[in-house]
Amino acid sequence: NAGVTQTPKFRVLKTGQSMTLLCAQDMNHEYMYWYRQDPGMGLRLIHYSVGEGTTAKGEVPDGYNVSRLKKQNFLLGLESAAPSQTSVYFCATLFARGSSYEQYFGPGTRLTVT
Amino acid sequence: AQSVTQPDIHITVSEGASLELRCNYSYGATPYLFWYVQSPGQGLQLLLKYFSGDTLVQGIKGFEAEFKRSQSSFNLRKPSVHWSDAAEYFCAVGPPFDYKLSFGAGTTVTVRA
Repeated sequence: NAGVTQTPKFRVLKTGQSMTLLCAQDMNHEYMYWYRQDPGMGLRLIHYSVGEGTTAKGEVPDGYNVSRLKKQNFLLGLESAAPSQTSVYFCATLFARGSSYEQYFGPGTRLTVT
Repeated sequence: AQSVTQPDIHITVSEGASLELRCNYSYGATPYLFWYVQSPGQGLQLLLKYFSGDTLVQGIKGFEAEFKRSQSSFNLRKPSVHWSDAAEYFCAVGPPFDYKLSFGAGTTVTVRA
């Protein structure tokens, strides 16, 4: 099992450019999340999904869009990148059933916007 | 809404010494509580979790954490640190059945020889 994978691992964008980050999971988990990690701020939730075809806003959704057309994929889009979106982005899934409750994280995508 | 505070931004500890990382949370009831570790350039790995029951929980890599309801705390401990424990540690809380976690700002642990 690959678990949670993220594509790409690194990316440099110019201000105003667009891009899509792909998160893929092979664990059949319903819940998926996109976080950003910035120094001194921990992980902040951007958007999340509770199942195929659903998305919801998290703590810091502005400037981002997401889609969950297939259960195994969760895409994060930046329509017009800004330097403030320079960050490390993590995708995660959640397995929650009975007494089990655990998030699984991808390796991260380091994005720099110049 | 829940919130998490990790009061220590950076801790330096000697190899073989004990380690304690503090975590305080704000939530109306007992939330689910977690500690994660992140090695440089890596994703987050779950160390341990608390849902209910015994307030002292054991995790991987020799870590343990104690839930104290009266202090709204969930502190992480290790009796004897190894150089490989140098990493960033995150406390997280989540209301049961909400499926969204809130993370603290993290504590960076440096281990000196």
